[in-house]
Amino acid sequence: NAGVTQTPKFRVLKTGQSMTLLCAQDMNHEYMYWYRQDPGMGLRLIHYSVGEGTTAKGEVPDGYNVSRLKKQNFLLGLESAAPSQTSVYFCAIKTPIAYEQYFGPGTRLTVT
Amino acid sequence: AQTVTQSQPEMSVQEAETVTLSCTYDTSESDYYLFWYKQPPSRQMILVIRQEAYKQQNATENRFSVNFQKAAKSFSLKISDSQLGDAAMYFCAYFTSGTYKYIFGTGTRLKVLA
Repeated sequence: NAGVTQTPKFRVLKTGQSMTLLCAQDMNHEYMYWYRQDPGMGLRLIHYSVGEGTTAKGEVPDGYNVSRLKKQNFLLGLESAAPSQTSVYFCAIKTPIAYEQYFGPGTRLTVT
Repeated sequence: AQTVTQSQPEMSVQEAETVTLSCTYDTSESDYYLFWYKQPPSRQMILVIRQEAYKQQNATENRFSVNFQKAAKSFSLKISDSQLGDAAMYFCAYFTSGTYKYIFGTGTRLKVLA
């Protein structure tokens, strides 16, 4: 899937802990996205980036921060994790060809 | 605001039969793209097929085809000769270059019966 990787694949946090999810691409795509997937709710956009040094809010940005210091990497941070942030997180890139989107393998995060 | 609706939470099909998954969307844009994604138990999101709104011809990829009705804002996915490996969640998605955002439906779980 266009070389999109996510680190880590699984993580368990306690309420109030912080963590950073890393998304890396081995291509040169400008657009990168972070989604969360919850049962019965499909994929919801958290934040996205249209290029190095830029970020923008999506549908559900509260409780998350992001950074795109390097074009290849898009980081998603949780400053103070809450049980409501238990979810599967997906990173994706958008290709310039017909706007196809390709996803990383996902990170399953559990907050207890 | 754009919305995408998948009204069938779950569908079943016999192996080798044909099944159609429904998707409707709401938009005031004239230029947009529509996609179907497959998510098997491995959790990986896989692009199945795409449709450009400006194209009248329905997209086809092997056993997968779409029925795109622009005026009705309908975008259904037909899977022919269903195989056990087709069992997965299927998501319909909408994209417009005006916002650079994708909007996903809530998904349809497809079961394939042997």
